[in-house]
Amino acid sequence: AQSVTQPDIHITVSEGASLELRCNYSYGATPYLFWYVQSPGQGLQLLLKYFSGDTLVQGIKGFEAEFKRSQSSFNLRKPSVHWSDAAEYFCAVASNTGNQFYFGTGTSLTVIP
Amino acid sequence: EAGVTQSPTHLIKTRGQQATLRCSPISGHTSVYWYQQALGLGLQFLLWYDEGEERNRGNFPPRFSGRQFPNYSSELNVNALELEDSALYLCASSLPHHHPLNTEAFFGQGTRLTVV
Repeated sequence: AQSVTQPDIHITVSEGASLELRCNYSYGATPYLFWYVQSPGQGLQLLLKYFSGDTLVQGIKGFEAEFKRSQSSFNLRKPSVHWSDAAEYFCAVASNTGNQFYFGTGTSLTVIP
Repeated sequence: EAGVTQSPTHLIKTRGQQATLRCSPISGHTSVYWYQQALGLGLQFLLWYDEGEERNRGNFPPRFSGRQFPNYSSELNVNALELEDSALYLCASSLPHHHPLNTEAFFGQGTRLTVV
């Protein structure tokens, strides 16, 4: 069965520092992978997605993620965090045959000045 | 183009009552998903409707139900409300499940349900 694990419940980084949010997935075939961001009181906004091809994916707001099949990971990175990046981040996996999306439990990001 | 819209934004009910939440998908989208986001529990999959039919449901009791209308909008009904049903309920829509470009779900802002 598909599943997503986000090992870090909460992360605090200083503004301007680099960021990496971890995501591990379980899926039998090549999955579709997503990162969403949720600002307080808001719905989810897609940051980036991976379907195939180049394993390094560029997204909005300066985020990128790298698909590593050997590690079953899809970690999200940003070289320099801004205070406005403080939010909840969700990794998701979807099968390539259907529309079932499975979400991780999320990582809450706090950015300190 | 309008995104996924959900109503109401906030809903307060007492224990034992019924709640009805509504979702209008993006035009052209026929798949609608419902998720429950309770505090500290991430997004839990509730229901998936596609072209008017329930395709899958998550591990929730039968008092969570819904339907999809011919215009692809959807309702989520929660009967016999319990305190632990308090959560943000998110709706998402996507292209038809058989569509080759159907690889992304767009989310609404959610309905905040509070059971007192």
